[in-house]
Amino acid sequence: DAMVIQNPRYQVTQFGKPVTLSCSQTLNHNVMYWYQQKSSQAPKLLFHYYDKDFNNEADTPDNFQSRRPNTSFCFLDIRSPGLGDAAMYLCATSRDRTRAETQYFGPGTRLLVL
Amino acid sequence: AQKITQTQPGMFVQEKEAVTLDCTYDTSDQSYGLFWYKQPSSGEMIFLIYQGSYDEQNATEGRYSLNFQKARKSANLVISASQLGDSAMYFCAMSTISNFGNEKLTFGTGTRLTIIP
Repeated sequence: DAMVIQNPRYQVTQFGKPVTLSCSQTLNHNVMYWYQQKSSQAPKLLFHYYDKDFNNEADTPDNFQSRRPNTSFCFLDIRSPGLGDAAMYLCATSRDRTRAETQYFGPGTRLLVL
Repeated sequence: AQKITQTQPGMFVQEKEAVTLDCTYDTSDQSYGLFWYKQPSSGEMIFLIYQGSYDEQNATEGRYSLNFQKARKSANLVISASQLGDSAMYFCAMSTISNFGNEKLTFGTGTRLTIIP
């Protein structure tokens, strides 16, 4: 089945130690998104790629970076994780970037910062 | 600015009963999309149903239907014959285009639904 895959499902890192979360998709979708979701809150969009075009949200901290080496893969890099970065990180994809396009989410990666 | 409001933080419903989850939205755009997602405790966001702003008929997907009232700016999710597996967090979301031409999904704060046996 076509799907969005995130690895690992759980990630533990130390305060200030760089960490990378990965996302892959077999849907061949043009757009890939990264969301941060803290406990009992709605997902918050960090940034997205439209093909190779990177689009950052205005309030996304510089500590968060992303790479999309090809259509299938997208990475979220947290350069110096703080305690406040502990959250669920959700990757999503959509075929195109119009209002009618559904975003399909992966299972998420729960990040714990010690 | 776009905004989604879900006024029910939690709901308890008896198994096999129908349940309505409320969602109201605010936007100045004429064209937008409305989505409902289900998030079980495992964390994955599962797409349930979509309604376009120009769609004249209410969307339905199996046991899920969307009661779309455009003039009232509401997009309530109706789940018929609820099941224990329906226990989850439910998010209403709206898709609009930002000033930079980017499609942006704005989520509500969610409703936690618990189905009672």
